[in-house]
Amino acid sequence: QVQLVQSGAEVKKPGASVKVSCKASGYTFTSDYMQWVRQAPGQGLEWMGTMNPRGGFTNYAQNFQGRFTMTSDTSTSTAYMELTSLRSEDTAVYYCARVYVIRGVPHHSDYWGQGTLVTVSS
Amino acid sequence: DIQMTQSPSTLSASVGDRVTITCRASQSISAWLAWYQQEPGKAPKLLIYKASSLQSGVPSTFSGSGSGTEFTLTISNLQPDDFATYYCQQYNTYPWTFGQGTKVEIK
Repeated sequence: QVQLVQSGAEVKKPGASVKVSCKASGYTFTSDYMQWVRQAPGQGLEWMGTMNPRGGFTNYAQNFQGRFTMTSDTSTSTAYMELTSLRSEDTAVYYCARVYVIRGVPHHSDYWGQGTLVTVSS
Repeated sequence: DIQMTQSPSTLSASVGDRVTITCRASQSISAWLAWYQQEPGKAPKLLIYKASSLQSGVPSTFSGSGSGTEFTLTISNLQPDDFATYYCQQYNTYPWTFGQGTKVEIK
């Protein structure tokens, strides 16, 4: 069965960086895309970006331009997100989610990781 | 960017009720809309994709409709497990965007 297993919770100081992993199993990692979504405490869902794990396509939310990078390692079927220059407002649960691709076009997310809490605090 | 506006923000209902949540897009997104359910402390769960297609394993008490700029999610015969927060997401145009969420609570 499809599973996305994310790395554990992180506590970071302002100005630091964090890298969260998302290991995929149960499907062909390079056949679908991945999106990253975050949720601040008590808030709604915020789209951060979508990528093709095979390479060649990434799209980032403007809010994170320059601070946010999505990468992948196809040999281990793992997607990564890295957020730099962390500030307290980046405290949130970060989710990866498989984006189902139909005839080469990315669509909805049918499987989600369990979420990774990133806390930014001095 | 395409703005997604959900209404209402909170909805109070009873078990057995029929409830409708609306999601409006600031410009046409054709039918490229998904609905997700999120329970506290859990990851979102896909309910509906392409505006009206029911995801496998989701009860038929959930239904979606709409195209263009106006969409609805209807839950008929509300069950205890259905008290949660619901989000729409458009994937027609980058940046993809979510609605702000609708919390369905027990009356």
